Amino acid sequence: ILNVEQSPQSLHVQEGDSTNFTCSFPSSNFYALHWYRWETAKSPEALFVMTLNGDEKKKGRISATLNTKEGYSYLYIKGSQPEDSATYLCAFSNTGNQFYFGTGTSLTVIP
Amino acid sequence: DTEVTQTPKHLVMGMTNKKSLKCEQHMGHRAMYWYKQKAKKPPELMFVYSYEKLSINESVPSRFSPECPNSSLLNLHLHALQPEDSALYLCASSQAGTSGTDEQYFGPGTRLTVT
Repeated sequence: ILNVEQSPQSLHVQEGDSTNFTCSFPSSNFYALHWYRWETAKSPEALFVMTLNGDEKKKGRISATLNTKEGYSYLYIKGSQPEDSATYLCAFSNTGNQFYFGTGTSLTVIP
Repeated sequence: DTEVTQTPKHLVMGMTNKKSLKCEQHMGHRAMYWYKQKAKKPPELMFVYSYEKLSINESVPSRFSPECPNSSLLNLHLHALQPEDSALYLCASSQAGTSGTDEQYFGPGTRLTVT
């Protein structure tokens, strides 16, 4: 079992604030890093798949960066909205089909 | 259709029962996964099927028995479970058989309670 850590565990921000959280993973044998958003009572939804050191990906107000040499990825949300409230999960893969998830960061955006 | 469906949504079973969880996707994906998630813990990979063949079994007890009858369907047969097996069981699929770079599409899960 590989250790994938996410911080913080939970976060409350005001509507309009920008925020970011971290996913840490083993820096050896990196294959891919996935980010998912999981809203209550729904299915986890893929946000990004990142594979190259230095990758930066963006989808609307959400973006992510990747540092495979030091083993971390940041997820940024610009101008948070109440609909961004969800748990954000990262999943590390070192071989292809095996994925190791972090415990997630629970984000609550207060209107 | 980008949906992964899972049935049932909720299941309560006794320790001597036999039941099955079902997962279906019609996206032409060739990899399918079972995950188990207990409260406040990350999803844990149980099984991976690639091109309808079991490619990964993460040392899961034999009371859980996966089956992939065709490329669209994935079952998880349950027998003689323990109360500690109560959890959310998530199914996912992805496009290729062996690439970790494909997005996984998740179903909503089956909430299992073993009494």
